[in-house]
Amino acid sequence: DSGVTQTPKHLITATGQRVTLRCSPRSGDLSVYWYQQSLDQGLQFLIQYYNGEERAKGNILERFSAQQFPDLHSELNLSSLELGDSALYFCASSVGRTNTEAFFGQGTRLTVV
Amino acid sequence: DQQVKQNSPSLSVQEGRISILNCDYTNSMFDYFLWYKKYPAEGPTFLISISSIKDKNEDGRFTVFLNKSAKHLSLHIVPSQPGDSAVYFCAASRLNYGGSQGNLIFGKGTKLSVKP
Repeated sequence: DSGVTQTPKHLITATGQRVTLRCSPRSGDLSVYWYQQSLDQGLQFLIQYYNGEERAKGNILERFSAQQFPDLHSELNLSSLELGDSALYFCASSVGRTNTEAFFGQGTRLTVV
Repeated sequence: DQQVKQNSPSLSVQEGRISILNCDYTNSMFDYFLWYKKYPAEGPTFLISISSIKDKNEDGRFTVFLNKSAKHLSLHIVPSQPGDSAVYFCAASRLNYGGSQGNLIFGKGTKLSVKP
């Protein structure tokens, strides 16, 4: 158990809909990272928050947004969903600003039908 | 453009033998490299890392070798055990730059199967 909790584990939704994925980092970790893993792809970095503020942005679509709350949990919002958004979404956390040894949650499997 | 490449999607090894997983990168600015292991239905788990100032790092049965001139790193597992069967991801980072450049760039993974 990495200490990073992601909910829900599975999500099935229709195209055009909006969903929210939730992540609770390890106790004491200030950074939260979101990654997307599509079929046969490596993990693609989406966005990082550090202590409530956006720190870095990767290949995140404009339809996607995230935030980190004062209690340090984070939510990833995916809107106007398309079939191609079906993927595993991982959250990771680390103590500091860099994810040199980030701890990953179990992921949320999103299926868009 | 894939900056971190794991060209072998799968590898099968006999229990007790050495497993060698390879990774190539294209960005010479990367200065920190990591290996993650992933079991089905679980998130990736950090395994071992190496800074670009070193060429070898060892932790128990796991050793990572870095060849900066060839932009190549490898993970050696000796001896291999059935419990090592998993997908192994190589990742690279520009640790000293921070921001989006400091985040991990992952390869697509190599599935290791260790047969009893």
